[in-house]
Amino acid sequence: DVKVTQSSRYLVKRTGEKVFLECVQDMDHENMFWYRQDPGLGLRLIYFSYDVKMKEKGDIPEGYSVSREKKERFSLILESASTNQTSMYLCASSLSTPGAREQYFGPGTRLTVT
Amino acid sequence: GNSVTQMEGPVTLSEEAFLTINCTYTATGYPSLFWYVQYPGEGLQLLLKATKADDKGSNKGFEATYRKETTSFHLEKGSVQVSDSAVYFCALNTGFQKLVFGTGTRLLVSP
Repeated sequence: DVKVTQSSRYLVKRTGEKVFLECVQDMDHENMFWYRQDPGLGLRLIYFSYDVKMKEKGDIPEGYSVSREKKERFSLILESASTNQTSMYLCASSLSTPGAREQYFGPGTRLTVT
Repeated sequence: GNSVTQMEGPVTLSEEAFLTINCTYTATGYPSLFWYVQYPGEGLQLLLKATKADDKGSNKGFEATYRKETTSFHLEKGSVQVSDSAVYFCALNTGFQKLVFGTGTRLLVSP
């Protein structure tokens, strides 16, 4: 079974703190993604990576950065957390072979910034 | 641009009722279409998919048919169970595996 794990299920941080969200997948997938999920807005793509050290901006990259130093690990960084970054963050991974490729999701991290 | 529109929820049904959750899309080219399900406290799981027009995806009693002429991919199930209570997301693949999601529809099934 493909497994995508995220470092925390719940996280509470203060405004201005630097926050790291970690994601690890165990299926040697090339592609990894970070989304945020908000009520009424669905899932929105923050960043994705198609290879080690490669990254591309998604639809809402402002206020976020990412790091992918190893194939299995993709980190989301909030350089200076703000209250409007309170959200559910979901990590996903997938293969890069052609065709309709399923994305496998982690359980999510619910981040609260106070 | 590419977008997915889902019906507003929550959808509230009694056990064994028939379910339809509407999904329509706007996309350039020929996208692949997906339904994902999110059970309480969990991440998203792929429920079913269809890669070309007239394809029917099915899984766990759920079905959806890729209708190019109406740009729709409605989710149906003949007899829902309490365990089907979850949030359902319609999504399309715009290429390079980036998914565009709808806003989600919450389904509540009562015994």
